[in-house]
Amino acid sequence: EIVLTQSPGTLSLSPGERATLSCRASLSITTYLAWYQQKPGQAPRLLIYGASSRATGIPDRFSGSGSGTDFTLTISRLEPEDFAVYHCQQYGGAPFTFGGGTKVEIK
Amino acid sequence: QLQLQESGPGLVKPSETLSLICTVSGGSIKSGDSFWGWIRQPPGKGLEWIASIYFGGTTYYSPSLKSRVNISVDTSGNQFSLKLTSVTAADTAVYYCARSKNSIFGSWGQGALVTVSS
Repeated sequence: EIVLTQSPGTLSLSPGERATLSCRASLSITTYLAWYQQKPGQAPRLLIYGASSRATGIPDRFSGSGSGTDFTLTISRLEPEDFAVYHCQQYGGAPFTFGGGTKVEIK
Repeated sequence: QLQLQESGPGLVKPSETLSLICTVSGGSIKSGDSFWGWIRQPPGKGLEWIASIYFGGTTYYSPSLKSRVNISVDTSGNQFSLKLTSVTAADTAVYYCARSKNSIFGSWGQGALVTVSS
């Protein structure tokens, strides 16, 4: 089973700042990585797939990068609605696994 | 627009079977490019994939839950189901149903909280 480790656990930033979130895989998954945003009481929403492709309707301030074992989600300028928990998921092969999440909170 | 809705008991006793149904609307469960899956999230914790199924019957299970899980599809009702046997308090979670394309979960239900308690 591929383990995904997200860091940091919590990121405290102000609106307008840049957020950089990390996801590291225990084995190479090439670019089979997705990112999801989850707000309290809501289901996750797909942001990024294929490590760097934005899902439909996702603003271009969200960008993903990386391949192999190291991946990054960047939010260029935080908007108030971006404060949430972000999860990464690998789909290189079953079992599909998720990281533990990074909470982006208002500083 | 595709919508998924979970339904089932919100409270299950320890050692009993958790049963949930996901009803799909705005699209066909027989879509050739889709798998249908269950993912859960214990309170305050991360996401855990449980199982996925294709309308034709192909299934994938998480190895850690495989001995206790069954996923099935009802094409006539445009639904799919989850059964988890011998539940304990550790199975308390919000259970989400979702559609995946190429193993990416692009559409999710709102989630159903299932509490395991006597």
